[in-house]
Amino acid sequence: KQEVTQIPAALSVPEGENLVLNCSFTDSAIYNLQWFRQDPGKGLTSLLLIQSSQREQTSGRLNASLDKSSGRSTLYIAASQPGDSATYLCAVRLQDTGNQFYFGTGTSLTVIP
Amino acid sequence: DGGITQSPKYLFRKEGQNVTLSCEQNLNHDAMYWYRQDPGQGLRLIYYSQIVNDFQKGDIAEGYSVSREKKESFPLTVTSAQKNPTAFYLCASSSLVGQPQHFGDGTRLSIL
Repeated sequence: KQEVTQIPAALSVPEGENLVLNCSFTDSAIYNLQWFRQDPGKGLTSLLLIQSSQREQTSGRLNASLDKSSGRSTLYIAASQPGDSATYLCAVRLQDTGNQFYFGTGTSLTVIP
Repeated sequence: DGGITQSPKYLFRKEGQNVTLSCEQNLNHDAMYWYRQDPGQGLRLIYYSQIVNDFQKGDIAEGYSVSREKKESFPLTVTSAQKNPTAFYLCASSSLVGQPQHFGDGTRLSIL
C-alpha cells in the first residue's frame, strides 16, 4: 500500500523567507502527484499537479518538483506572505489503482508578519 | 461557475440515527470520492465511484454507504453502525484521465 509522508508537520517562518515543503512516497509507480492548500475548516484547493512524466510545475511563487525514482516531491514557496499560512497536503495517484488518491498528513505553515 | 457543492456545512447526529451528506458537482467529472479527515491525520478514503451505478470501498468503508444514481450526485450515508462518526467529511471529483482532483468545502459531523 502506498504510504505518503510529509515533513515537517509544522513550520513557522518570518515573512519574505523562501521555504521548501517535502513529500515522500513509497511506491514510485505513480500516475501523478498533486499539491493542495487547506485553510482551517475548509476544503482543499488545488495548487499544482505534476504528471509522472514531468519534473516540475510552476504557478506564480510556487514551484513543485517531482523525483519519481527517489519517491520525493518538494513544494517551493518564494517570498512567503502571511496569506500563505495554511496546511499544505500532497496526494499521489497510483498507476494501478484506478482513480484512488493517497494523501499525506500535511504540513501546517505559519508565516509571521 | 463549475464546482462541487457539499451540504449541509454542519450536521449533528443522534445515537442510532442514520444521516446523509450531500455532494453535487457540475464539472462533468466521471469519478467522485468521499474522504474523512480527523485532526492531525491525512485524508482517508471512504468510498469512490468511477462511473454511474458503480462504486468501490476505500480504506474505511465500514459503517458508511453510498449511491451513484446520477453522474453529478454522490451522497454519503453515515449509518448507526459507524461508532465514531465525528469528523470532517470531504467530497471530491476528477476526470478519468489524470486531471486535478477538485474538492467541496466539507461537512462537519458531530454527535449530540
